[in-house]
Amino acid sequence: NAGVTQTPKFQVLKTGQSMTLQCAQDMNHEYMSWYRQDPGMGLRLIHYSVGAGITDQGEVPNGYNVSRSTTEDFPLRLLSAAPSQTSVYFCASIKAGSTDTQYFGPGTRLTVL
Amino acid sequence: AQRVTQPEKLLSVFKGAPVELKCNYSYSGSPELFWYVQYSRQRLQLLLRHISRESIKGFTADLNKGETSFHLKKPFAQEEDSAMYYCALRGGFKTIFGAGTRLFVKA
Repeated sequence: NAGVTQTPKFQVLKTGQSMTLQCAQDMNHEYMSWYRQDPGMGLRLIHYSVGAGITDQGEVPNGYNVSRSTTEDFPLRLLSAAPSQTSVYFCASIKAGSTDTQYFGPGTRLTVL
Repeated sequence: AQRVTQPEKLLSVFKGAPVELKCNYSYSGSPELFWYVQYSRQRLQLLLRHISRESIKGFTADLNKGETSFHLKKPFAQEEDSAMYYCALRGGFKTIFGAGTRLFVKA
């Protein structure tokens, strides 16, 4: 199993540009989440999904969209990037009902100029 | 509301000294609590969870429901313990993290 994969690893955008951060998992996990990691603020939940077709907002959803058309994929979209969205983004997944830990992807480092 | 508080942003100790990283939580139900560690430029990895009551790399953490705390402890810190440590609470579908504590172990 590849686990949780994220692409790209690094990205630089200009203010106002759009892009999609990709996240995929091959463990048949129902739950998937997106976090952003900022110094002094830890990891903050952006959006999460409990299954294909079902998404919900986390702590800091503004400026981000998500969709979950398949169990495997959970892309995060920035429609109009802002400098405040400069961060490291982590995707995570876990099997529903599991007492196991979440599995994290390697992260995407995004800089918005 | 779900909330995790880690009051210390930075904790600096000497090698061999005891270390305690504090975590307090707020949750109305029965929480699942975790400690994650992140070494420099690596992804988060699970350190331990309250459910298994285990000791990993010499670290332990006890859930105190009365004080709503889940502090992480190690009797003798090592230089390789230097990292970011995150306390996390899983309630329902969501996992919420604290702001993290950077542990720096000095030689």
